[in-house]
Amino acid sequence: GDSVTQMEGPVTLSEEAFLTINCTYTATGYPSLFWYVQYPGEGLQLLLKATKADDKGSNKGFEATYRKETTSFHLEKGSVQVSDSAVYFCALTQEYGNKLVFGAGTILRVKS
Amino acid sequence: GAVVSQHPSWVICKSGTSVKIECRSLDFQATTMFWYRQFPKQSLMLMATSNEGSKATYEQGVEKDKFLINHASLTLSTLTVTSAHPEDSSFYICSAPDRTSGSSEQFFGPGTRLTVL
Repeated sequence: GDSVTQMEGPVTLSEEAFLTINCTYTATGYPSLFWYVQYPGEGLQLLLKATKADDKGSNKGFEATYRKETTSFHLEKGSVQVSDSAVYFCALTQEYGNKLVFGAGTILRVKS
Repeated sequence: GAVVSQHPSWVICKSGTSVKIECRSLDFQATTMFWYRQFPKQSLMLMATSNEGSKATYEQGVEKDKFLINHASLTLSTLTVTSAHPEDSSFYICSAPDRTSGSSEQFFGPGTRLTVL
């Protein structure tokens, strides 16, 4: 079945550092790919998405590019802030609006 | 964006009792809702797909007699953990796609923390 693999955390960075969280997937066909963020005590929120190969999703300074050839969707941000501290989940779906397959989540801690 | 609520946000119960968790779409109708379970420091695992007006579809390995799902209306799905045991303690999260918006983006509830003593 489909699966998503994320780099293990926690990832600890200083403010204004560059962030990369790796995500690779195994799936048939051309799934849609997502990054969700979960702030402490809150539910998951969609951060960005890409629905086809070479699409770049971006939001709040975060971006990720759908790479079909490497089956990857790595999350990047050029300068992180303390407020970015959260858990980040990579996910995919074979049918938009249908069930999601999640990676294990990566805890990000940003120090001031 | 659309809002999905869950109630209660946390619950503590004794072993052997049943607990009902509600998931509501507040400003859109949801013919489908999804129930996930999240273990500490682990990912969300899909438990079942709740379908309005029909039976839920359970993922492999999930006991449908233990985790009863009822999707009684277009805005409400309930998950009842029957005869709960300590191993059922977990964080339960629901989500619903807003298909009326055309994007089918999924919106997540804030989750329910269940602790079984």
